Amino acid sequence: DAKTTQPNSMESNEEEPVHLPCNHSTISGTDYIHWYRQLPSQGPEYVIHGLTSNVNNRMASLAIAEDRKSSTLILHRATLRDAAVYYCILSVRYGNKLVFGAGTILRVKS
Amino acid sequence: DVKVTQSSRYLVKRTGEKVFLECVQDMDHENMFWYRQDPGLGLRLIYFSYDVKMKEKGDIPEGYSVSREKKERFSLILESASTNQTSMYLCASSYGVQPQHFGDGTRLSIL
Repeated sequence: DAKTTQPNSMESNEEEPVHLPCNHSTISGTDYIHWYRQLPSQGPEYVIHGLTSNVNNRMASLAIAEDRKSSTLILHRATLRDAAVYYCILSVRYGNKLVFGAGTILRVKS
Repeated sequence: DVKVTQSSRYLVKRTGEKVFLECVQDMDHENMFWYRQDPGLGLRLIYFSYDVKMKEKGDIPEGYSVSREKKERFSLILESASTNQTSMYLCASSYGVQPQHFGDGTRLSIL
């Protein structure tokens, strides 16, 4: 399975944008890039996913490098409720199996 | 919204007991998954199933088995519980390569 590399932790101020980076230099052509987050005492929650093009949804934006070896999750205005562990994951196409890494702990300061 | 329901939030069992963790999803998803989450180790896949009566081993299947008799239900079985199986257990479901939807987890303690 292709691996991802994320910073251990990041800090942001409330209502400022946050850019969470992820490196995946061994990504294969059929791997989707998924982002999940996990709030305290909850199961992981889907945030966004993409294959080649940048993606936007109500929660976030996903910017994918042209060579697909890195991506960035963008939270446009961080709130205290966005404080969570954010996981960048590459999915093996068959069965949608996900391999979770350690993720990035995002702290949001008021 | 998709709902993945795990039968218990907290469970305490004794070593040697046979333990059943139940998971039900309400969106007719063909894929279902069981993970465990431990501090410092992240989420690790135990078993997954892509159809009724089908199952595949994940990364850490030892000491566990699963059952999928109906599409909406995926059970994780600890045949003879041991203290090293104390963990948070998470169930998820998905359709095709669409995102997985997770339950809130079962925190299992084996004494």
